[in-house]
Amino acid sequence: DQQVKQNSPSLSVQEGRISILNCDYTNSMFDYFLWYKKYPAEGPTFLISISSIKDKNEDGRFTVFLNKSAKHLSLHIVPSQPGDSAVYFCAASDPGGKLIFGQGTELSVKP
Amino acid sequence: DSGVTQTPKHLITATGQRVTLRCSPRSGDLSVYWYQQSLDQGLQFLIQYYNGEERAKGNILERFSAQQFPDLHSELNLSSLELGDSALYFCASSERASMNTEAFFGQGTRLTVV
Repeated sequence: DQQVKQNSPSLSVQEGRISILNCDYTNSMFDYFLWYKKYPAEGPTFLISISSIKDKNEDGRFTVFLNKSAKHLSLHIVPSQPGDSAVYFCAASDPGGKLIFGQGTELSVKP
Repeated sequence: DSGVTQTPKHLITATGQRVTLRCSPRSGDLSVYWYQQSLDQGLQFLIQYYNGEERAKGNILERFSAQQFPDLHSELNLSSLELGDSALYFCASSERASMNTEAFFGQGTRLTVV
C-alpha cells in the first residue's frame, strides 16, 4: 500500500521556466511533509518542509504548497536551473515517527 | 559532504551469507535512520535509533537487525541474504528524535547479492 505517491516518474522543463512536482498521500494522520533532492551517486539532501497546519512554505526559488482536503502537495521551482536536474522525493511523517517516501520524480532542466 | 559516512560503498556477496553495513553519523547527531532503496522503488524506512535506543521500526525483515553503539555509530546486519535484498542502503542522521527534522544522508552502500 503506497501511502505517498509521486505519479510522474519524470519531468522535463526548459531553463528559466517553472517546475512543478506533485505528490499525493492517503493517510490523513500525516502531520509533516518534506522534499528531498538526490543527485546520482549521492545520498538525498533535504530541500524544504511544511507542517500540516500550513498551506505554503517558501525558501528562495522553492515553494511547497499543501492542500489537505485533496491530500496533495506540490513543489514549485522558479526559475528552474540546469543544476536542479535531480530526482526529487516527497516524504510524509506520521505521529508514530515513521517517514514515508514516495518513489521519486526525475527532473531534467534543459538549457 | 553531508558528514554521514557509510562503509563499505559497494558489497557483493552470495545468497545465504551475512553482511554488516556501517554508519557514522554527523558529529552531534543522536538519531540514526536506515533506509533501503530497491530498483524503481522509493526509499523504504527500515529502522531508527536515538541515543542508543530503538525508536521507530518500519518494514524491516526479521533477517535484518540493527544497533547503535555508545559512540553513536550504527550497524545494519543482514543475514540469510536473498537475491531480492540487492539494493542501495542509506543511513541518515539528525540531531533530534523526530523525523520532522532535516536528516542528513550518507552516500549509501550498494549491496549486490548473487
